[in-house]
Amino acid sequence: QEQLVESGGGVVQPGRSLRLSCAASGFTFSIYGMHWVRQAPGKGLEWVTFISYDGSNTYYGDSVKGRFTVSRDKSKSTLHLQMNSLRAEDTAVYFCAKDSGGRYSGSYGTFDLWGQGTLVTVSS
Amino acid sequence: SYEVTQPPSLSVSPGETATITCSGDKLATKHVSWYQQKTGQSPVLVIYQDRKRPSGIPERFSGSNSGNSATLTISGAQAVDEADYYCLAWDSSTLYVFGPGTMVTVL
Repeated sequence: QEQLVESGGGVVQPGRSLRLSCAASGFTFSIYGMHWVRQAPGKGLEWVTFISYDGSNTYYGDSVKGRFTVSRDKSKSTLHLQMNSLRAEDTAVYFCAKDSGGRYSGSYGTFDLWGQGTLVTVSS
Repeated sequence: SYEVTQPPSLSVSPGETATITCSGDKLATKHVSWYQQKTGQSPVLVIYQDRKRPSGIPERFSGSNSGNSATLTISGAQAVDEADYYCLAWDSSTLYVFGPGTMVTVL
């Protein structure tokens, strides 16, 4: 069945870097756009970034622009999030999510599959 | 930047109808999806493109979008529907904007 599994979370000091990964299985990864969404403890969902099915287009939320970079590895069906210059306010569970659109269909902002999330804690 | 609002909480008796609103300027010009998140779990898509229901989602969930408000309706709410519900507004210019979420209690 379709599945997304995140990894790479942990405790990191402010100003340091961390790289998250999301392994996809059960669907053709290379034809769908992908997202990262985060949720601070006890708070709501915040969209972080999107990458198109072929990696040619990326978009970022204002709070992470210039610090985070999304990428994808077609050969390994894996999504990555490189997080630099981390701040305390980046502390959250990070979910990867599959977009319903991609190479053959429009998106319309539909996230139809989510991973279980990985916790990132930024603290000294 | 674009913003959408939701009521923080909503309480409904079992079998009654729960109506959750998502409000934003000219929201009808954007596509709205809805996500259910139970405690300690990942979000699940329950409505997309304003009113479409994914396979596996019960028929008691329905959606609409008009003017400045979108609505998620749970007809005949059940205890299993207790969760936080988030709307997501999208268009090609504002991109992806989540609402703050509505906690639905069924009791």
